[in-house]
Amino acid sequence: AQSVTQLDSQVPVFEEAPVELRCNYSSSVSVYLFWYVQYPNQGLQLLLKYLSGSTLVESINGFEAEFNKSQTSFHLRKPSVHISDTAEYFCAVVPSGGYQKVTFGIGTKLQVIP
Amino acid sequence: EPEVTQTPSHQVTQMGQEVILRCVPISNHLYFYWYRQILGQKVEFLVSFYNNEISEKSEIFDDQFSVERPDGSNFTLKIRSTKLEDSAMYFCASRATSPGRNNSPLHFGNGTRLTVT
Repeated sequence: AQSVTQLDSQVPVFEEAPVELRCNYSSSVSVYLFWYVQYPNQGLQLLLKYLSGSTLVESINGFEAEFNKSQTSFHLRKPSVHISDTAEYFCAVVPSGGYQKVTFGIGTKLQVIP
Repeated sequence: EPEVTQTPSHQVTQMGQEVILRCVPISNHLYFYWYRQILGQKVEFLVSFYNNEISEKSEIFDDQFSVERPDGSNFTLKIRSTKLEDSAMYFCASRATSPGRNNSPLHFGNGTRLTVT
């Protein structure tokens, strides 16, 4: 079985400041990793994913995440946040083989302060 | 871009009543899922559906729950006799993937907020 730990339930940060949202996972098999974002009153949207290859993946809106196999982490970072980044962010894992379900972390609420 | 659509966006029902939550997955997707999110808690897997049958379900998905793909486009979740603790946001998701590959991300709908009173 897989598990995902997001240590920070809420992260307040000032606009234009950098932010890191932490994600650690546990799995006995190789996994694919995802970050989903949920804006207020909306569903979950895929932000970025790591499948293979370069361990640094980027989204179109300036977020990036780095897969670290030795530390079993997939932290999400942005060098300068905007008000519009206020949302809840979910880290997720799925085994790389088979048809198994996606397992989500509990989520981190990012609150950008003007 | 194709979307997963869910209806209704909000449903209020009395305890003991049956509810059906509706979803239209993306048309060429093969795998369908229901997840739920109780307020303030994590997104929890309920059930996955492939090739017209349940492929996996969680311990939450007991006999009160059922899923159906009644036609080529809809995917429904039925709760036979709702309980207060069923109050949650229910998300439908679909995924396009070929056999043996698990790397396609889930595409989620906007959710149905179910309130049981």
